[in-house]
Amino acid sequence: GENVEQHPSTLSVQEGDSAVIKCTYSDSASNYFPWYKQELGKRPQLIIDIRSNVGEKKDQRIAVTLNKTAKHFSLHITETQPEDSAVYFCAAKGAAGNKLTFGGGTRVLVKP
Amino acid sequence: EAQVTQNPRYLITVTGKKLTVTCSQNMNHEYMSWYRQDPGLGLRQIYYSMNVEVTDKGDVPEGYKVSRKEKRNFPLILESPSPNQTSLYFCASSPALAGGPNEQFFGPGTRLTVL
Repeated sequence: GENVEQHPSTLSVQEGDSAVIKCTYSDSASNYFPWYKQELGKRPQLIIDIRSNVGEKKDQRIAVTLNKTAKHFSLHITETQPEDSAVYFCAAKGAAGNKLTFGGGTRVLVKP
Repeated sequence: EAQVTQNPRYLITVTGKKLTVTCSQNMNHEYMSWYRQDPGLGLRQIYYSMNVEVTDKGDVPEGYKVSRKEKRNFPLILESPSPNQTSLYFCASSPALAGGPNEQFFGPGTRLTVL
């Protein structure tokens, strides 16, 4: 089945700097890659997603890039703010198309 | 309000005492799923359902059962809970595009402790 690895597990950045989280996946036929943000004590919520026919997608300060050849995708957060502090999860939908496999999560701390 | 609800939110129980965690969604979603969240392991899928009466195992199904008799409900059953099932559980629903999950809408979570 699909295997998703996420790095780093923790990331500390200064407010205003950029944060980058990387994920690799194993199933070359995977076609959907969402990112979820989970604030402390809350449920995960989708922040951005990308499909395999697109290489990059942006939404304000957040962007996701996808490299299908290398089987990795990344989340980029620019001009980080304290409210960006949370755990971020990547996920991939495998070839069978019936399940999402999540990475282990990245705890991001934005220091004011 | 469109939402996914779970009950109970918190539960402390003892080994071997059967329990059910309920999940309900009001968005008419076809796809529903259960995940458990453990530190450093992310969200691991327990079971999922593509539609009524259609369920399948996820990555960690051992010790769990599910049913999907109605589109809106997807209960998680632990027939004989053990301490290694102590975890934070999330139910999620999603419209099924091309047969599979898309944006997952998560419930508030159920924190289960098995003594």
